[in-house]
Amino acid sequence: GAVVSQHPSWVICKSGTSVKIECRSLDFQATTMFWYRQFPKQSLMLMATSNEGSKATYEQGVEKDKFLINHASLTLSTLTVTSAHPEDSSFYICSVRQRSGAFSGNTIYFGEGSWLTVV
Amino acid sequence: QKEVEQDPGPLSVPEGAIVSLNCTYSNSAFQYFMWYRQYSRKGPELLMYTYSSGNKEDGRFTAQVDKSSKYISLFIRDSQPSDSATYLCAMRGGNEKLTFGTGTRLTIIP
Repeated sequence: GAVVSQHPSWVICKSGTSVKIECRSLDFQATTMFWYRQFPKQSLMLMATSNEGSKATYEQGVEKDKFLINHASLTLSTLTVTSAHPEDSSFYICSVRQRSGAFSGNTIYFGEGSWLTVV
Repeated sequence: QKEVEQDPGPLSVPEGAIVSLNCTYSNSAFQYFMWYRQYSRKGPELLMYTYSSGNKEDGRFTAQVDKSSKYISLFIRDSQPSDSATYLCAMRGGNEKLTFGTGTRLTIIP
């Protein structure tokens, strides 16, 4: 079954409005979640790392005030696209990290993604 | 030069064929290597996960990592039409940031 739930799957909004996307970890507590953006036929680009109870860490070139990230609990992180513009239209995907003792490493699971269209 | 290079394809093979997908990378700090399958308009699905060099097999899928050559591969045996998707390689070092290849679009022809 799904490890990560993302909502909404599709959203259309008017230019200038704000949109919130939720990412929930279903099977385990996630102190760290990641937000990616993917344009058509391109790879995933990390936008920010969301840390529970603290400020998110943004990648270079990503506007902190435009893409607000809140990680209020161990199972929920939200991404809010503020004052959306048509160029923000994209596929937004979250992921969560699960520690795996067998490998002394970890694996990362992705949500189903959220398609944002700004008109 | 990109940190991870992956041929975007598209790659078309007949049903039942063996598929070979590859990525090369330049960052010697990468230790964890993953392959994801992404269907159109869906999130990536983890297929294989390996740590350091070696082979790993899971059903029809085999992942290979050659750290000396900075080269990873994913083999799909007895390919099925349902395997048609985009395959993304991903890797990371000691931190948690994943670096992705551009993805290879694969079509299995019935």
